[in-house]
Amino acid sequence: SAVISQKPSRDICQRGTSLTIQCQVDSQVTMMFWYRQQPGQSLTLIATANQGSEATYESGFVIDKFPISRPNLTFSTLTVSNMSPEDSSIYLCSVEDRTVGYTFGSGTRLTVV
Amino acid sequence: TQLLEQSPQFLSIQEGENLTVYCNSSSVFSSLQWYRQEPGEGPVLLVTVVTGGEVKKLKRLTFQFGDARKDSSLHITAAQPGDTGLYLCAGGHDYKLSFGAGTTVTVRA
Repeated sequence: SAVISQKPSRDICQRGTSLTIQCQVDSQVTMMFWYRQQPGQSLTLIATANQGSEATYESGFVIDKFPISRPNLTFSTLTVSNMSPEDSSIYLCSVEDRTVGYTFGSGTRLTVV
Repeated sequence: TQLLEQSPQFLSIQEGENLTVYCNSSSVFSSLQWYRQEPGEGPVLLVTVVTGGEVKKLKRLTFQFGDARKDSSLHITAAQPGDTGLYLCAGGHDYKLSFGAGTTVTVRA
């Protein structure tokens, strides 16, 4: 199955700043997915990132707040912009592996103070 | 709006006991997956079920997919402390996953 490296694993950020999260996959994948997991809650899909096109955002998420890059078939970044304490969450990237289903990175635990 | 309803939300049992977690939806899914997530980690896939009525066994874990592909259950036999974690069901539709709210399982030694 695909192996995903996500970094940073955690960060504490000041409100009003931005953080870029990186996701590296050890194989080429068509789609990469970004999720948010708020404290004590389940996963919510933020957007789907395809190489060579703009990301597709789910309801409640906008590009200005969560810009995504997908420069090639093995890498993607998610930026959390102009952060507030409400953005404190775990952010996870995921890819679809045809053999085993969806694989997730270990997540980025973000705390905004 | 949560498309998948999981129950119970919390479950605390003694080592050796059995437990069942349920996942229900009004929507039909092309596939349904179960994950376990431990603190500080991403979800780890346990099983994918795709056929209505399908039953899959993974050692002490038994997964069942409803005939109408709208519901599923996870049964753990003789639970061990290592089974402790957040169990999530997720329904697949149009290459995207929708997650249930999760069941936090604690197995006491």
